[in-house]
This record gives sequence, structure tokens and C-alpha cells, in this order.
Amino acid sequence: GQNIDQPTEMTATEGAIVQINCTYQTSGFNGLFWYQQHAGEAPTFLSYNVLDGLEEKGRFSSFLSRSKGYSYLLLKELQMKDSASYLCAVTDSNYQLIWGAGTKLIIKP
Amino acid sequence: GAVVSQHPSWVICKSGTSVKIECRSLDFQATTMFWYRQFPKQSLMLMATSNEGSKATYEQGVEKDKFLINHASLTLSTLTVTSAHPEDSSFYICSARDPQRDSDTQYFGPGTRLTVL
Repeated sequence: GQNIDQPTEMTATEGAIVQINCTYQTSGFNGLFWYQQHAGEAPTFLSYNVLDGLEEKGRFSSFLSRSKGYSYLLLKELQMKDSASYLCAVTDSNYQLIWGAGTKLIIKP
Repeated sequence: GAVVSQHPSWVICKSGTSVKIECRSLDFQATTMFWYRQFPKQSLMLMATSNEGSKATYEQGVEKDKFLINHASLTLSTLTVTSAHPEDSSFYICSARDPQRDSDTQYFGPGTRLTVL
């Protein structure tokens, strides 16, 4: 079966750095996405990785290792507004998007 | 760019009535749109994939006759929840791909919160 694993919940301090991990087992791979979803709102696109390595975009970076079936989202200089759920999603060989359950990130002052 | 809108933002209806939700791509043409449902504290669940000019592809367990999807133009897809019941109360979110920007990224509408009394 297809499976995406990410921690259910994480807590971090304002101004700090947090890394949210995502591991996947899917039938084929055509890219990995990270989305941010605030409570009661729709997801917003953060990043897309299809090749191994690190993609940096401002305070957010996303890393991919296809051989390990692993990705992480790195958030630097955490702000209170970063409190949200972070969803990892993988596009499989049929270009179907498989969603993780999301990681709820709690930022404390 | 790649803005998707939904209407209405929220709707309350009586059990047994039908509700139509619109999803529009405002600044691009979307040949493919997706409809998701999300229950509280749960991840997104894909309901169906909507392709312009053809019938939608429904996920297993989603009733085609209950959730009617029409993708009549490159900028509009509609989801009609027919004979709604309280268990249909949920957050419905659409997304669309912009083939001119990249073929894989889905851009989401703001969602529609449906409450069936």
C-alpha cells in the first residue's frame, strides 16, 4: 500500500528552528509537496521537490532524498503565525497525490 | 498568480436539500480540478478529479449520484451535494492545476464549510 508518515504534533519556540520529517512508501515517485494549513482554512503551497537536495525559499527550506523515501521541511526564525498544520504529499507513478495526515506545529513564545 | 476562488465560503442548509459549490480559477485556465473533503482534525480526502469537458473520476467510496461534479469550462467546476444529510457536513475544498505554470502543483481555493441541519 501507499503510505506517508509524519509526526502528529510538534512544539517549538518562537525564533527557533524546527524540522518536520516526512517518510513515504509509494508506487513510484513524481514529486513531493509541502503545504501549510491554518486551522479552518484551505492548504497553501509551500514547496515542491522532485530532485534530491535542498530547496530554500526564505525562512522555509525543503529537502528530499529519493533513495531514502525521506523529506523534511525546515522552518527558521519561527514566528507565532507559523503555528499551523504542515502537510506532506507525494505524487505517485499515476500522478495521484497521496497525502500525509499532517503535522500540527505549535509555536510557543 | 494561480488564484482559485470558491463560493460560497460557508453554507447552512436543511437536511434533504441540495447545495451547489462553485470553484473558479481566476487568472488561469484549469483543465483539471480536484474536489476534497476534510473532516475536523483529519487530512484532506480526495473525492473526485474533474476534467474539463468530460466526466469526473470519483474516488472509491464516493457516491457519484450524491456528489455531482460539472466542469463545464476551463475556469469553473461545480460540486453539488444532493439531498444533503448531517453527515455531509464538512469542509469542502477545491484545487486546480495551472498547466502553464507547472503541471503538478495544486492551488487550493479557500474552502466551503457546509453545515447540514
